Amino acid sequence: GAVVSQHPSRVICKSGTSVKIECRSLDFQATTMFWYRQFPKQSLMLMATSNEGSKATYEQGVEKDKFLINHASLTLSTLTVTSAHPEDSSFYICSALAGGSAGELFFGEGSRLTVL
Amino acid sequence: GDSVTQMEGPVTLSEEAFLTINCTYTATGYPSLFWYVQYPGEGLQLLLKATKADDKGSNKGFEATYRKETTSFHLEKGSVQVSDSAVYFCALSSGQGGKLIFGQGTELSVKP
Repeated sequence: GAVVSQHPSRVICKSGTSVKIECRSLDFQATTMFWYRQFPKQSLMLMATSNEGSKATYEQGVEKDKFLINHASLTLSTLTVTSAHPEDSSFYICSALAGGSAGELFFGEGSRLTVL
Repeated sequence: GDSVTQMEGPVTLSEEAFLTINCTYTATGYPSLFWYVQYPGEGLQLLLKATKADDKGSNKGFEATYRKETTSFHLEKGSVQVSDSAVYFCALSSGQGGKLIFGQGTELSVKP
């Protein structure tokens, strides 16, 4: 089946630094990708919808200047957590939509960010 | 707004036991409903789905029926295996180009 890869799978950084997480669709093109945040023992919270070649659409309450999303190609979206703080520590998951707006979603393995 | 509520875990069962994980939803219109599974250390995988009322999704021995009258999509399996240990997420889509709303997840642990 279709594969979505995230990198890095784990990252530890110091407070105040920026961290970039990549999400790649390996065997299909994805005009739309989604970024989620998952807290321990909690659900996935949709952060933003990433559209290739245009600005991301952020969900209410998500700071777009804090969580920069770039979808520069049909196979790559990146999430940059800027000036990270310990409260940004979380599990970030991306998904990519294969086959147009009515297609199937495929999820990456997730990236665990720890901010010291 | 739309929402999904799942039964809280963790759920611990013995091998070959019957499994039910409850899921109810609130949505305007007629959403599609999904169950995703997350095995330890892996990403989410689609387990099954149903796109309209009374549809039954099934896969790997798991089943769920879209019940509009009770706004439910409960997950069932007749005989669980140790390999079914994972976190299960119920989700809905109201058709906004792949946007999903997830329940909080239910952790299942199956003991030999």
